[in-house]
Amino acid sequence: EVQLVESGGGLVKPGGSLRLSCAASGFSFSTYNMNWVRQAPGKGLEWVASISSGSGYIYYADSVKGRFTISRDNAKNSLYLQMNSLRVEDTAVYYCAKEDYWGQGTLVTVSS
Amino acid sequence: QSVLTQPPSASGTPGQRVTISCSGSSSNIGSNTVNWYQQVPGTAPKLLIYSNDERPSGVPDRFSGSKSGTSASLAISGLQSEDEADYYCAAWDDSLNGPKYVFGTGTKVTVL
Repeated sequence: EVQLVESGGGLVKPGGSLRLSCAASGFSFSTYNMNWVRQAPGKGLEWVASISSGSGYIYYADSVKGRFTISRDNAKNSLYLQMNSLRVEDTAVYYCAKEDYWGQGTLVTVSS
Repeated sequence: QSVLTQPPSASGTPGQRVTISCSGSSSNIGSNTVNWYQQVPGTAPKLLIYSNDERPSGVPDRFSGSKSGTSASLAISGLQSEDEADYYCAAWDDSLNGPKYVFGTGTKVTVL
């Protein structure tokens, strides 16, 4: 059974940092491109970043470029999102997603 | 800011057919395939249609997708109460500063 379990969310002050993790199981993680997508409270879906299976290709949304870093460790079947210089508008549920399956998400709240 | 435009709402009675449109441009729908996601409130999005008109295993055949030019559509035939959810289209956008995965504005489907 495919599982994607996000962790690392929480409350952080503006300007702070947070590192999200996504533990993958039930599929060959190292062969899949992976993504982070977020959803602000009551809003629609917003793509955040994507990384290819071997980390050779990485793409970011303009809204997070220069502040967020996506990475992966195929040996640990894990995906990461390092978030720096967080803003109030980064408040959202962050989902880890492969092409056909999404995790349940982790809530990030940026507030003073 | 969503690049793909969807109607905010759609509705129908059980058994009816409902269609949701998704309007884009030459840099996204016009040159890449379209995916559709279903999100029941409080849960993670689920892939409903990929590559314009393909259904993942387990998705009922009353869901169908199509694409023409810079627009796409999702049709739900034989509407059921469990279809009440938010629906999002998505596609890669070949932007000048790198590929971006863009989502539609979302459509809330209500079963009357």
